[in-house]
Amino acid sequence: QVQLQESGPGLIKSSETLSLTCTVSGGSITNSYWSWIRQSPGKGLEWIGCIYYSGLTFYNPSLKSRVTIFRDTSTNRYSLRLNSVTAADTAVYYCARTERHGLNVFSGYFFDDWGHGTLVTVSS
Amino acid sequence: DIQMTQSPSSLSASLGDRVTITCRASQDIGNYLNWYQQKPGKAPKVLIYAVSNLQGGVPSRFTGSGSGTEFTLTISTLQPEDFGTYFCQQSSSLHPLSFGPGTKLDIK
Repeated sequence: QVQLQESGPGLIKSSETLSLTCTVSGGSITNSYWSWIRQSPGKGLEWIGCIYYSGLTFYNPSLKSRVTIFRDTSTNRYSLRLNSVTAADTAVYYCARTERHGLNVFSGYFFDDWGHGTLVTVSS
Repeated sequence: DIQMTQSPSSLSASLGDRVTITCRASQDIGNYLNWYQQKPGKAPKVLIYAVSNLQGGVPSRFTGSGSGTEFTLTISTLQPEDFGTYFCQQSSSLHPLSFGPGTKLDIK
């Protein structure tokens, strides 16, 4: 069973950059797909983006201009960076191992193993 | 973007009841529909992927069906541990992947 653990500041100020890291154990980030997802009362569950086993990334178009997902294979971690945050970015942030079914490489994704989640609050 | 809706938004049911939750997509998503259960303070847990495939360890009382734009999650005989919020998620389009707003299930 793959385990994931998010880490990073729980409180940041508006206009700053949100930075979170997901430490993966029990599996290699050079296998499978790895996502960031957030959840807030106002927006529900929102997929932020993912990084493939190859390092290829895909982002939610609504966040694409502000988001970067990158990885460090030597430490088996991947990270999220979200620029220019506002109060609307306040949410619980999850990292999740992502599986895919079917033949279409752009479809069939679901989130199999999740971290516990970390609350990030953006203050003004 | 593909929009997902769910109904009802909440429901209360008795132990042993048969419960059905509906999820609708704003366009045809084929069989690219997944279901999750979330307990308070916990991360979501995948129950079913690709409409009807039970993820490992999930009880067989959970079944999924549907295709195209309308899907259902059915719990055949409601158990105490089934309370929580249920979300559907479409995976037809990576641009972006999206979730339904959730259905909160309470046990009477």
